[in-house]
Amino acid sequence: GAGVSQSPSNKVTEKGKDVELRCDPISGHTALYWYRQSLGQGLEFLIYFQGNSAPDKSGLPSDRFSAERTGGSVSTLTIQRTQQEDSAVYLCASSSDPSYNSPLHFGNGTRLTVT
Amino acid sequence: QQQVKQSPQSLIVQKGGISIINCAYENTAFDYFPWYQQFPGKGPALLIAIRPDVSEKKEGRFTISFNKSAKQFSLHIMDSQPGDSATYFCAASGSNSNSGYALNFGKGTSLLVTP
Repeated sequence: GAGVSQSPSNKVTEKGKDVELRCDPISGHTALYWYRQSLGQGLEFLIYFQGNSAPDKSGLPSDRFSAERTGGSVSTLTIQRTQQEDSAVYLCASSSDPSYNSPLHFGNGTRLTVT
Repeated sequence: QQQVKQSPQSLIVQKGGISIINCAYENTAFDYFPWYQQFPGKGPALLIAIRPDVSEKKEGRFTISFNKSAKQFSLHIMDSQPGDSATYFCAASGSNSNSGYALNFGKGTSLLVTP
């Protein structure tokens, strides 16, 4: 079946512009996670959705970052007034439920470059 | 702060050799310890995982060794092959109402298996 789909795969934007990153999780997966992967770094957890609800948004790097999920499916991560330090690969993962029995399945990410 | 520490940062192994990657964690509430494999341009993919009630798990050429008292776990790749060349991430997680089963990742190990 289809895996986690992310779009666009690559995005180049100018500093100060807004960008929107999209994640289509595996059908039926209720848990959705966003991570950021910077060059040479591990994966930094940003936010978790159970259904359409995000219990804790404190992992978002700044108030320029926001995320939403609609219909228990598609999620978007929006970065306003992008800065060069926002350049990274943004990864989305989903699982059937938030438990150790349900491994995270990752998409291939969106590579964001802020010039 | 980094909740999972991983070493080495990079590793070169000859074909047929054993690759060993080590990780350590602090949070005793963690109860799930997966290893992910990532190829360039792709998202991480689950390789093998262990829970703290066992000390070792083997799947094919891949083995996780787990030491609960030392809060350490390691990945052993037997008979390493050039196709194993990738970045490997250890991770740890536990149930959390705010973050689901979000994984806390190490910074990764870049493995190169030479012919």
